[in-house]
Amino acid sequence: QVHLVESGGGVVQPGRSLRLSCAASGFTFSSYAMHWVRQAPGKGLEWVAFISYDVNNKYYADSVKGRFTISRDNSENTLYLQMNSLRAEDTAVYFCARRTGRYDAFDIWGRGTLVTVSS
Amino acid sequence: SYVLTQPPSVSVAPGKTARISCGGNNIGSKSLHWYQQKPGQAPVLVVYDDSDRPSGIPERFSGSNSGNTATLTISRVEAGDEADYYCQVWDSSSDHVVFGGGTKLTIL
Repeated sequence: QVHLVESGGGVVQPGRSLRLSCAASGFTFSSYAMHWVRQAPGKGLEWVAFISYDVNNKYYADSVKGRFTISRDNSENTLYLQMNSLRAEDTAVYFCARRTGRYDAFDIWGRGTLVTVSS
Repeated sequence: SYVLTQPPSVSVAPGKTARISCGGNNIGSKSLHWYQQKPGQAPVLVVYDDSDRPSGIPERFSGSNSGNTATLTISRVEAGDEADYYCQVWDSSSDHVVFGGGTKLTIL
């Protein structure tokens, strides 16, 4: 069965850092591009970052560029999101999602991990 | 940056047809995808590439995309279809994913 499981969320003070992980199973992780998407409480979906299957391409939303870094370890089937200089507005559930093989859609999602930025 | 506009809410009676719109500049030239999200759950892809359905998605879900408007159509609506629905594209001019603001579908 295809699964994505996020971890690493929690409560963190403004200005501090946090690293999220997304463990993939049930498919050839190294063949798929991956994304992070977040959802603030009671709000809509917001795309955060993209990484190609081979790590050669990375793209970021303007709201996180320069503060967040997406990475992956294909040998460990794991996706990461390093979040620095966190702000209150980064408070959200963070989902990892798999890009479909051919289209720029997300066919597999994790259940999400909650990040709360608060003093 | 590219913007997708959805109505905040749509209401429909059981057994009727729900239509959720997604507007964007020349959106018909892009590959458009739709997601269903129920409270406390992750989104689920229900239509991709304008009108295709992933395996396991009922035929009641269909999509169209032309000009400046894309539409998700849900036929014979059921209580279990009550959810938030989001449209999404890849904006190649900025290398960004863009989501619409979401539409809450209420079954009367």
